[in-house]
Amino acid sequence: GESVGLHLPTLSVQEGDNSIINCAYSNSASDYFIWYKQESGKGPQFIIDIRSNMDKRQGQRVTVLLNKTVKHLSLQIAATQPGDSAVYFCAERGGSSNTGKLIFGQGTTLQVKP
Amino acid sequence: DGGITQSPKYLFRKEGQNVTLSCEQNLNHDAMYWYRQDPGQGLRLIYYSQIVNDFQKGDIAEGYSVSREKKESFPLTVTSAQKNPTAFYLCASDTGSNQPQHFGDGTRLSIL
Repeated sequence: GESVGLHLPTLSVQEGDNSIINCAYSNSASDYFIWYKQESGKGPQFIIDIRSNMDKRQGQRVTVLLNKTVKHLSLQIAATQPGDSAVYFCAERGGSSNTGKLIFGQGTTLQVKP
Repeated sequence: DGGITQSPKYLFRKEGQNVTLSCEQNLNHDAMYWYRQDPGQGLRLIYYSQIVNDFQKGDIAEGYSVSREKKESFPLTVTSAQKNPTAFYLCASDTGSNQPQHFGDGTRLSIL
């Protein structure tokens, strides 16, 4: 079946360092991927997305990389700040058979040490 | 501001009681979704609706019901048949195409 997973449940980084959060997916037909940030007691907040016809997309301080060969997605956060501390989820949207539905990974908790 | 409003923020249910969680959006989105989140877990899809007066079961629909009478509103009822209702419930919406889902700030449901 389909599954989306993150390699590490918790990632601890020093303030100012770069963070890399990884995600593996299993559905090779998935054509759209999203990264969300969730702070405690709040709903997920959109960070960045990428379509399957791309392998890299950059935002403000964030970069998403997509490797379709090994079905791997990563989120890179540059110069990590204390405000980046949160749980990060990747999500995939399948092909036409799963229109609109997202499949979420388990989440990685990012802890930023001052 | 445009967004998704969920209410109440906290809700308590007694044994044998049905409770309804509200979700309203003013983003003019066609599609709306309900997810359940348990501690330390990802989001699991309960129900979704891609158009008014139509909705489909997600992966964990048992013990839940929904309605979609208006584009802006997608209430979720947690029935007494749901034996483990304690969770964080999240509502989302999108345009139905390859655009990100936008989420509300959730309702935390607990059992008295």
